[in-house]
This record gives sequence, C-alpha cells and structure tokens, in this order.
Amino acid sequence: NAGVTQTPKFQVLKTGQSMTLQCAQDMNHEYMSWYRQDPGMGLRLIHYSVGAGITDQGEVPNGYNVSRSTTEDFPLRLLSAAPSQTSVYFCASSYVRLDSPLHFGNGTRLTVT
Amino acid sequence: EDQVTQSPEALRLQEGESSSLNCSYTVSGLRGLFWYRQDPGKGPEFLFTLYSAGEEKEKERLKATLTKKESFLHITAPKPEDSATYLCAVRRGGNQFYFGTGTSLTVIP
Repeated sequence: NAGVTQTPKFQVLKTGQSMTLQCAQDMNHEYMSWYRQDPGMGLRLIHYSVGAGITDQGEVPNGYNVSRSTTEDFPLRLLSAAPSQTSVYFCASSYVRLDSPLHFGNGTRLTVT
Repeated sequence: EDQVTQSPEALRLQEGESSSLNCSYTVSGLRGLFWYRQDPGKGPEFLFTLYSAGEEKEKERLKATLTKKESFLHITAPKPEDSATYLCAVRRGGNQFYFGTGTSLTVIP
C-alpha cells in the first residue's frame, strides 16, 4: 500500500530556478492538497483540489501553481524560486466526506539559496 | 478569525509519568477535530477524529477528548516510543484544515 508518494525527498535550488514537486496517491481520494511546514508556523495550506480539473487557493498560494489532470496526481510548481520558499512541503489527500482524515506523504525538503 | 493553539510547545516526561496536551480552537462551522502524530523526517500520521463535545476516543496509551472550545490528548504511562510531535487540526465547512503548531513530546527512559 503506497498511500501518498512524494518526490523528490530533498532538493536544492538557486534563486530564480523553477521546479515541480510531485505527488501521487493510490487511494482514489477526491481531495488533494499541498502544505508547507516551517518552524513555529505549523502546517499552512498552499493549494487544494476536490477533483480532476478543480483547484483552489489556500492560505499561502503566492509563488506556487498547481493543476489536477488526473485523480491520482497533484504536482506543485515553483515558477521562480525564492529563499522564502525554503521549507518542508507535504502533500495530503482524503475523501471529501467529513469523517475522512488527511493522509500525508513523507515530505520534500526544499532549500533555495 | 479561525485559530488553533496548542500548548505546551514542548513537554518532557519521565517514562510512566502521565500528562495531557491541549488544543484550543476558535473556528466557525467546526466539522471535526483531528489529532496527528509526527515523527522527525516523516509526514503526520492520523490518530483520532472527534466531532462533538463530550466525545472521547482511545488508542493504546492515548485518549482524546473534546469540549466546545478545546481538545485534550491524554497520555497515560508514556513510553520512550511515544516521543514525537503531536499536532491537532480543525476542519471547517468545505475541505480546509487548520493546524496548530504542535507539541513536541519527549519521554525519558
């Protein structure tokens, strides 16, 4: 049971570079989301999706893009990386029904220099 | 404004010394309160969901309770393997979860 798979585990970027963080889930969850986790700030929602073709902004969306072309995949794009985007990024998924908890991947640790 | 506050930020316990972690929240339209455990370098792992005041859930040495304004995670006779960061989150209407900053628990043998 793979659950939520994130790649890569670690990434170092230079300011201005772009990259895509990958997220895939095999639980047929409708809802997928991206969080960033920073010391003292907790988990903050970046973008989320309730199904293929539907995305919406969370609490901290600036500098990030998402798309959802399939149920399984929800990539997060950084178009022009900034040092403020140094963080640990988590992808999470769930069913849309209210009793469904979020299931998390193991994160991508991103450093922007 | 929706807010989730966890206390204490850090807690050190001797093995066998019971204690409680607190999660207080101000959220309109609460649709559930969730507890997670997070180990270093890992993603949060789901523990419990609570929906209504007075509800309790138990799993091994952990028991979660919920009132109208806060939730407690009680840890009975903890072991070193219970050391982790414990996160609480609230779910509003729709699919948005709001997380607290967590309590880092260390259990000393």
